[in-house]
Amino acid sequence: ETGVTQTPRHLVMGMTNKKSLKCEQHLGHNAMYWYKQSAKKPLELMFVYNFKEQTENNSVPSRFSPECPNSSHLFLHLHTLQPEDSALYLCASSLRTGDGNTIYFGEGSWLTVV
Amino acid sequence: DAKTTQPNSMESNEEEPVHLPCNHSTISGTDYIHWYRQLPSQGPEYVIHGLTSNVNNRMASLAIAEDRKSSTLILHRATLRDAAVYYCILRVPFNSGNTPLVFGKGTRLSVIA
Repeated sequence: ETGVTQTPRHLVMGMTNKKSLKCEQHLGHNAMYWYKQSAKKPLELMFVYNFKEQTENNSVPSRFSPECPNSSHLFLHLHTLQPEDSALYLCASSLRTGDGNTIYFGEGSWLTVV
Repeated sequence: DAKTTQPNSMESNEEEPVHLPCNHSTISGTDYIHWYRQLPSQGPEYVIHGLTSNVNNRMASLAIAEDRKSSTLILHRATLRDAAVYYCILRVPFNSGNTPLVFGKGTRLSVIA
């Protein structure tokens, strides 16, 4: 138990569906992140939020829309995804975004787009 | 651009020490060296990090070369539960001033009973 909880753990959605992934951290952290891990590829940083403000969008397509209503919650809204978007989506948090800060990951949400 | 180089895979016998190497020849003076590992079907977990001096914690030890261009993660007695992908990471500074983790391919450690 890392203190970062992701739901759902598994999601299957059609290409025309709209769904959301949820992340909650109970660590009192101020920074939250979304990463994507595709099969046999390194983890890719998608978004960074610092004190509820998005500070990084790593060239992510607009069909992925993040939302951070407060420092404890992070969402990833999914719309008109493609099969190649099937992957493990990982949420993470840290006290701050600077170097030296340990990052804690959730267990991930396995997404399958059909 | 992970800025680190690690072997793709390594193998170890159970109960024996494991030394996982990492080269980071372009490291700057203020870069911390971070190690994370990812067990099968789980998110990455923090192992250890250091700046200049060797570091020890309950999970592992980190030996940092004097010139800081390489480091070695040491698992003192490998167990089957240590089978994972181990990532050596230098934080990448973004224009915003953030330095999030940017993962490379890591080293896949297999532990043989």
